[in-house]
Amino acid sequence: GAGVSQSPSNKVTEKGKDVELRCDPISGHTALYWYRQSLGQGLEFLIYFQGNSAPDKSGLPSDRFSAERTGGSVSTLTIQRTQQEDSAVYLCASSPGIMAGVGETQYFGPGTRLLVL
Amino acid sequence: GENVEQHPSTLSVQEGDSAVIKCTYSDSASNYFPWYKQELGKRPQLIIDIRSNVGEKKDQRIAVTLNKTAKHFSLHITETQPEDSAVYFCAASSWGGQGAQKLVFGQGTRLTINP
Repeated sequence: GAGVSQSPSNKVTEKGKDVELRCDPISGHTALYWYRQSLGQGLEFLIYFQGNSAPDKSGLPSDRFSAERTGGSVSTLTIQRTQQEDSAVYLCASSPGIMAGVGETQYFGPGTRLLVL
Repeated sequence: GENVEQHPSTLSVQEGDSAVIKCTYSDSASNYFPWYKQELGKRPQLIIDIRSNVGEKKDQRIAVTLNKTAKHFSLHITETQPEDSAVYFCAASSWGGQGAQKLVFGQGTRLTINP
């Protein structure tokens, strides 16, 4: 079956502009995660969804970052008034969402490479 | 919150030798520890994981060990091959409210296998 997909694969924008990044999880997965990976760095947790609700938004770097998920499927990460330090690869992952408290495999998408000029 | 430290940051071994990567974590409540492999320009791929109710898990040339008391876990790759060259990330699962799960990652180890 299809894996996690993300769009666009690459995005170049000017400082101050808003961007929207999209994630399509694996069909049937209720848990969805956003991470950020800066060049040569590890993965930084941003936000997590279980269904349409986001129990943990602790990783969002600032109030310029927001995310939503509708219909328990597609999620959009929005960055307003982008800054150069926002340049990174934004990775989405999904998991079945049925093994709360135990730990589930998270399957990653290919990422969106964002460059803010 | 959870903090994961990973060492070494780079590792170079001869083909056929073994490679070991070590991670420590801070939150004793963490109970799930996956390892991901990321090739250049590609997405992270799970290679093995371990839960806190076991101390060791093996899958062909790859094994992971977990010491809950010391709060550290390690990845062991035996009989290394050129295709094992990649960046490897360890992670620990940290639990928040309403069953929220997030992975806290180490900084990664760039493994190079020399032919």
